[in-house]
Amino acid sequence: ETGVTQSPTHLIKTRGQQVTLRCSSQSGHNTVSWYQQALGQGPQFIFQYYREEENGRGNFPPRFSGLQFPNYSSELNVNALELDDSALYLCASSLGPKRGSTDTQYFGPGTRLTVL
Amino acid sequence: KQEVTQIPAALSVPEGENLVLNCSFTDSAIYNLQWFRQDPGKGLTSLLLIQSSQREQTSGRLNASLDKSSGRSTLYIAASQPGDSATYLCAVSFANTGNQFYFGTGTSLTVIP
Repeated sequence: ETGVTQSPTHLIKTRGQQVTLRCSSQSGHNTVSWYQQALGQGPQFIFQYYREEENGRGNFPPRFSGLQFPNYSSELNVNALELDDSALYLCASSLGPKRGSTDTQYFGPGTRLTVL
Repeated sequence: KQEVTQIPAALSVPEGENLVLNCSFTDSAIYNLQWFRQDPGKGLTSLLLIQSSQREQTSGRLNASLDKSSGRSTLYIAASQPGDSATYLCAVSFANTGNQFYFGTGTSLTVIP
């Protein structure tokens, strides 16, 4: 157990809908990263938040957006859902970029999103 | 373009065998490299983190090595057990994009009792 929790566990939506996924970081961690993992693939970086500010973004369109709250919990929002958005969404918390190369990421169990 | 490749894609070994999983990456200027384990439908469990200044890390029956000049890392698992069956993922943080991990597609390991 990493101490990182995600909700919900599973979610089914239809094309065009909007979805919000939530992540609670491990205690003491101020950085959260979100990844998308399609079936049979490795996770792909969506974005990272450090102390409530976006700190890097992968190759995902603007309809993928996020928030980090003062308690360092986080949300991933996806608008105008497409079939290809079906995937396991993982969040990872860490102590942050100031830790440099020692910064280990701890992953939550993920949210399985199915878009019909 | 930074890429991470893992071979083999799948591996099946009898219990008790020692085995090596391979990871290669395209840019030697890395920040760190982390090996993860993923059970079916689950999140990722961190196994070992190797900083760019290190050559290897060990935890129990696991040993990970790093050779930046050749762009390679290996994960050695000694005396494999059926409970080791899982997908093993290699993730690299590159120096010019230090805040994100690039993942390989993983090696699916099956240890046969």
